[in-house]
Amino acid sequence: DVQMTQSPSSLSASVGDRVTITCRASQGINNHLAWYQQKPGKVPKVLIYAASTLHSGVPSRFSGSGSGTDFTLTISSLQPEDVATYYCQKYNTAPLTFGPGTKVDIK
Amino acid sequence: QLLLEESGPGLVKPSETLSLTCSVSGGAISSYYWSWIRQPPGKGLEWLGFFHYDGNTDYNPSLKSRLIISVDTSKSQVSLRLTSVTAADTAVYYCATSATSDGFDVWGQGTMVTVSS
Repeated sequence: DVQMTQSPSSLSASVGDRVTITCRASQGINNHLAWYQQKPGKVPKVLIYAASTLHSGVPSRFSGSGSGTDFTLTISSLQPEDVATYYCQKYNTAPLTFGPGTKVDIK
Repeated sequence: QLLLEESGPGLVKPSETLSLTCSVSGGAISSYYWSWIRQPPGKGLEWLGFFHYDGNTDYNPSLKSRLIISVDTSKSQVSLRLTSVTAADTAVYYCATSATSDGFDVWGQGTMVTVSS
């Protein structure tokens, strides 16, 4: 099965900073990758699908890129409401594995 | 608007069977792939499996021998049945689907299940 890894596992940044999270698949998954945001105590929300397509209603400061095995989620200007754990997930074939998550907080 | 609501026992004894239900409203249950996802306390998300009305079903290999996901169209419900539970199955269980895009864009609120004697 394809394994998903994320780096870093956690980060702390200042409001307004550019933040980048990396997700890597152990085998190529084309662009069949989604990113989710989960705020503490809340249900996960999809931010991006097809590696780079912004889901409806998601702020434009979020963007995604990549294809094959290496993907990134970028927050162009970190806001206080972006404090959350971010997960990537592959969905080309089962199992639809999630990455281990990256916890983002404000410095 | 598709809405999902999970329900089930909050406490299950070790070695017993966990049964959960996801009630679907606002859409045709036969139109979607239905997944169950869980999250142990303080840990990440784990996809458990999916079911589609056309018979397409798949499970996480780590749970395949213990898990059944099914759909009852008459009740508009998606069910999860996990046998021989242990403390490692303690988690919040979510049902979710891809309604308008790839990725899981519709989730239930989740239901917490604790496995303990």
